[in-house]
Amino acid sequence: RKEVEQDPGPFNVPEGATVAFNCTYSNSASQSFFWYRQDCRKEPKLLMSVYSSGNEDGRFTAQLNRASQYISLLIRDSKLSDSATYLCVVCMDSNYQLIWGAGTKLIIKP
Amino acid sequence: NAGVTQTPKFQVLKTGQSMTLQCAQDMNHEYMSWYRQDPGMGLRLIHYSVGAGITDQGEVPNGYNVSRSTTEDFPLRLLSAAPSQTSVYFCASSYPGEGGYNSPLHFGNGTRLTVT
Repeated sequence: RKEVEQDPGPFNVPEGATVAFNCTYSNSASQSFFWYRQDCRKEPKLLMSVYSSGNEDGRFTAQLNRASQYISLLIRDSKLSDSATYLCVVCMDSNYQLIWGAGTKLIIKP
Repeated sequence: NAGVTQTPKFQVLKTGQSMTLQCAQDMNHEYMSWYRQDPGMGLRLIHYSVGAGITDQGEVPNGYNVSRSTTEDFPLRLLSAAPSQTSVYFCASSYPGEGGYNSPLHFGNGTRLTVT
């Protein structure tokens, strides 16, 4: 089993819809969690950190479920510009290494 | 601020050749790292550094060397290129600060390397 798993998609979603995807992690000692966004042939860019209490940034909501060991990303009122691959990242405070998921591809259609 | 600058953007090597991928950051970040990204796989850490003069191996270090003589620069050397090293390479840095070494990463634009 991979340490961090994501549904590769693609998720084909009409513009304006709400979409959510999860990322599961295997190490219960994981402490920090992030969502990155990566556009085609570009570098990853931080979308948001994921806090234990959940957090929201505009149309984006991230949540952490420690009991079931997954994090989620919800995008409301999706825009064409949201089309990208979303990467989940998990790390433990005991070392300096981040574990990356392979990404979920999202395609927003007009 | 230029952020993280990687060069070259594209490179084609023949098997057995050596080369250095350059990475520089102007944000005074202590932490720098090199990743490779292959289709269907997550980013995999090659080497990382937590400060000048300090480097350590990541998940896939074989075939690569690094050095960190200054805070700004973190070059990645391919000693003898192999087709299995065909990949997209990203340099990334972060400033630990209150977030520790798990602070969000700033990435360079990437280097697309093909080894024939």
